[in-house]
Amino acid sequence: EAQVTQNPRYLITVTGKKLTVTCSQNMNHEYMSWYRQDPGLGLRQIYYSMNVEVTDKGDVPEGYKVSRKEKRNFPLILESPSPNQTSLYFCASSFASVNTEAFFGQGTRLTVV
Amino acid sequence: EDQVTQSPEALRLQEGESSSLNCSYTVSGLRGLFWYRQDPGKGPEFLFTLYSAGEEKEKERLKATLTKKESFLHITAPKPEDSATYLCAVQARYSGGGADGLTFGKGTHLIIQP
Repeated sequence: EAQVTQNPRYLITVTGKKLTVTCSQNMNHEYMSWYRQDPGLGLRQIYYSMNVEVTDKGDVPEGYKVSRKEKRNFPLILESPSPNQTSLYFCASSFASVNTEAFFGQGTRLTVV
Repeated sequence: EDQVTQSPEALRLQEGESSSLNCSYTVSGLRGLFWYRQDPGKGPEFLFTLYSAGEEKEKERLKATLTKKESFLHITAPKPEDSATYLCAVQARYSGGGADGLTFGKGTHLIIQP
């Protein structure tokens, strides 16, 4: 089954404690991205990757890092989380960067206290 | 800056009562307009892509249309299982900081009552 898998689904952490949210896709997609979804603000892109070892900032990259060492994986790293990073996070992948359907993971609800 | 505005924010319909959701957009050059459906606790699920004014696409009770300034998602004789948040997104031909990323609207929360 074609899917994008995120882990964990729920996470509560404390300010400043480094964390990683994993994302894996089994569709051999080149393009992957991370979004955060906040009430009243909608989905906003954090980072994206056009292919292995190629990443770039989206609209709200501050406080986040990503890496793309393998085609299927695109982890999101919060080196020093802060309460304003409390949000619902989605990983997405697509065959190409333009004009193609994006497949989304089920989301990771992160709370930073 | 690309902008997407969806209206209404919320809509409650009776089963079988047809209606339309609106997505107004401002973009430097449209590469594509996307409609997604999002159920509570889940990620968005792709519905349609529209590329040029005048284009229409249909899927079951849903029909999406596109003009140069807006898109409509028409829902005909909806059923309770059509209840969800419907998201509109645009992809610009020449994006700014979020190159080739999708710019999403805030969504329309649709409730279909039996």
